[in-house]
Amino acid sequence: EAQVTQNPRYLITVTGKKLTVTCSQNMNHEYMSWYRQDPGLGLRQIYYSMNVEVTDKGDVPEGYKVSRKEKRNFPLILESPSPNQTSLYFCASSTPTGREYSPLHFGNGTRLTVT
Amino acid sequence: AQKVTQAQTEISVVEKEDVTLDCVYETRDTTYYLFWYKQPPSGELVFLIRRNSFDEQNEISGRYSWNFQKSTSSFNFTITASQVVDSAVYFCALQGGSEKLVFGKGTKLTVNP
Repeated sequence: EAQVTQNPRYLITVTGKKLTVTCSQNMNHEYMSWYRQDPGLGLRQIYYSMNVEVTDKGDVPEGYKVSRKEKRNFPLILESPSPNQTSLYFCASSTPTGREYSPLHFGNGTRLTVT
Repeated sequence: AQKVTQAQTEISVVEKEDVTLDCVYETRDTTYYLFWYKQPPSGELVFLIRRNSFDEQNEISGRYSWNFQKSTSSFNFTITASQVVDSAVYFCALQGGSEKLVFGKGTKLTVNP
C-alpha cells in the first residue's frame, strides 16, 4: 500500500530535549516536505526536499533541521524544542513529472506538545 | 508571491443543504495547480481534487463539484445535499512554478443532523 508513515503519532516532551520525528514513504517520490498546522494559521511549510541531499527552507524553518540521506526518509529534527513548537506536524511526498505535479500524499500527522 | 484566501473560517449548515466553500488565489505563474484537501475530525489530510491552470472545466464527482474561474482567480467547492460525514476542515491549496504548495487557512464545515 502506497503510504507516508510518520512516527510517533503523539509526543510530549520538555523544553530543550532534542527529538526527531521520522517520515518514510514507499512510493519512490523525489519531493518530500514538512508542514506544521496551527489553529487559524492553516498549514505552513517548514522544510522541503527535491531529492536526496537537496533540502531547502520553507516558510517557518526556525528551530528545525532536516536531512535527506535516502530517498524514502525525511526526518524532522528539533534540536532544542520550545513551547511555541507545540503543533500538529505533517510529512508529505509527491512526484513532480515534467509540468505535472502529483498531489501531495500526507502522513497521518504527529501531534507534538512541548512543555 | 503566491497566496490562497479562504475567507470563510467556519460554516454551519443543516443536513441536505447545499454549501459552497470559497477559495481565491493569487499567483504570477502562468502554469499552476489548484487543490482541495479534506481534514476530517480524525486529523488526516485527504486529497480531493487537482486542477491545472489550463483546464477551466468544472468538475463534478458525486455530491462534490468544483468551479474554477481564472477571470476571478477562484476555485470554489460546492457540496450538494450535505451530510454529517462531510463535517471537516477543507483546505484549498496552490502550487506554482516553485513547486511549493501554499495552503489557505481552511474552512471548518459543520453539518448538523
